Amino acid sequence: TQLLEQSPQFLSIQEGENLTVYCNSSSVFSSLQWYRQEPGEGPVLLVTVVTGGEVKKLKRLTFQFGDARKDSSLHITAAQPGDTGLYLCAGMGGQNFVFGPGTRLSVLP
Amino acid sequence: GAVVSQHPSWVICKSGTSVKIECRSLDFQATTMFWYRQFPKQSLMLMATSNEGSKATYEQGVEKDKFLINHASLTLSTLTVTSAHPEDSSFYICSATNGQGEKLFFGSGTQLSVL
Repeated sequence: TQLLEQSPQFLSIQEGENLTVYCNSSSVFSSLQWYRQEPGEGPVLLVTVVTGGEVKKLKRLTFQFGDARKDSSLHITAAQPGDTGLYLCAGMGGQNFVFGPGTRLSVLP
Repeated sequence: GAVVSQHPSWVICKSGTSVKIECRSLDFQATTMFWYRQFPKQSLMLMATSNEGSKATYEQGVEKDKFLINHASLTLSTLTVTSAHPEDSSFYICSATNGQGEKLFFGSGTQLSVL
C-alpha cells in the first residue's frame, strides 16, 4: 500500500515568515500534486509535478519533486493570511491517487 | 481548466431519510470519479471509486448498501446516503479524472447534517 506522510501536521506562523511543508513516501509516484483547501470547500489544485528533480514556482510558492519521485516539498515565501488553509499532497501511482494527511497552516496577521 | 460541479453544497435531513449528492463534470468526460468523506480538520478519506457503466469499488470499511454510488454517464456520478443517521454527518467531496492521467478535479463539497 502506498502511503504519503506530510510534515508538519500543524503550523502557525506570523505574516511575512517563510515556511516549508514536506510530503514523503517510501513509494515512487508517477506524479505528485499539491492542493489547498479552505473550510467548507473542495481542494483546489495548486500544481502537478511529474519529473524527478522538477521545480515549479507559482508566485510565492515553490514546489519541488524529489529526484527519486518519492517526496516533494512546498516552500512559501513571505506568507500572508490568505495562505491559511489545509495543504494536501497527493501522489499518483498506477491508477490510484493517494492523499497525505495534510498540513494545516495558519498565518497570523 | 476542467470544472466539477457538486450539488447540493449543504443539506440538512432527518434521521432515517436518504440524501442524494450529485457530481457533474461540466466540460470533460469523467471516466473515473471518486467520492471522499472528510471530518473536521482532517484529510480526505476515499470512500469509493466509480467508473462509468460499472459498479463502484468501495474502500474497506465503507458499506456499499449504505452509500450507493451510480455513475450512469461520463458526466454524472451520484452518491446516495441511505437511511442517514447523525453519525453520517460529514463533508462529502467528489473528484473526477478524464482518464488522461495525472490530474484530479474536485467538486466544492457537500456538508451533510443529519438531525
